[in-house]
Amino acid sequence: DSGVTQTPKHLITATGQRVTLRCSPRSGDLSVYWYQQSLDQGLQFLIQYYNGEERAKGNILERFSAQQFPDLHSELNLSSLELGDSALYFCASSVGGASNQPQHFGDGTRLSIL
Amino acid sequence: KNQVEQSPQSLIILEGKNCTLQCNYTVSPFSNLRWYKQDTGRGPVSLTIMTFSENTKSNGRYTATLDADTKQSSLHITASQLSDSASYICVVSYNFNKFYFGSGTKLNVKP
Repeated sequence: DSGVTQTPKHLITATGQRVTLRCSPRSGDLSVYWYQQSLDQGLQFLIQYYNGEERAKGNILERFSAQQFPDLHSELNLSSLELGDSALYFCASSVGGASNQPQHFGDGTRLSIL
Repeated sequence: KNQVEQSPQSLIILEGKNCTLQCNYTVSPFSNLRWYKQDTGRGPVSLTIMTFSENTKSNGRYTATLDADTKQSSLHITASQLSDSASYICVVSYNFNKFYFGSGTKLNVKP
């Protein structure tokens, strides 16, 4: 058990809808990372937050947004969903904000768009 | 173009044998290189993290090497076990806090 909790485990919705994925980092970790894993594109880095502030941005679409709250949990909001957004979304956390910190991954939220 | 390429795509070995997985990258500027193990349906688990100045790093039966000059890394698994069956993913960090993932090597260890 990595100590990172992601909810929900599974989500099924329709095109055009909006969903929110939630992540609780390991106790004591200040950084949260979001990743997308799809069959055709593998794992992609989306965005990182450190202690409530955006730290780094990867291939995150404009339809997607994230935030980290004062209690350090994070949410990833996906809107105007398309079929291609079907994927596993992982959250990871680390103690600090530097890129050489070990990251601990949750078991992901599987998003299916019908 | 920033890329991380892994080979082979898949590998079948017998339990107890050793194997080596390869990772070549063109990502720049390089910050560090990680190897992850991912079981089906689970999140990746970190095996090693290496910075520019590190050539070798071990984690139990897993040993990673890095040649920053040729931009190549390898992951060597010694005395494989059935539980080693998983995907192994190479990740290169660039520009300090961004990450490029390889497509992974799917390892199947057979009894």
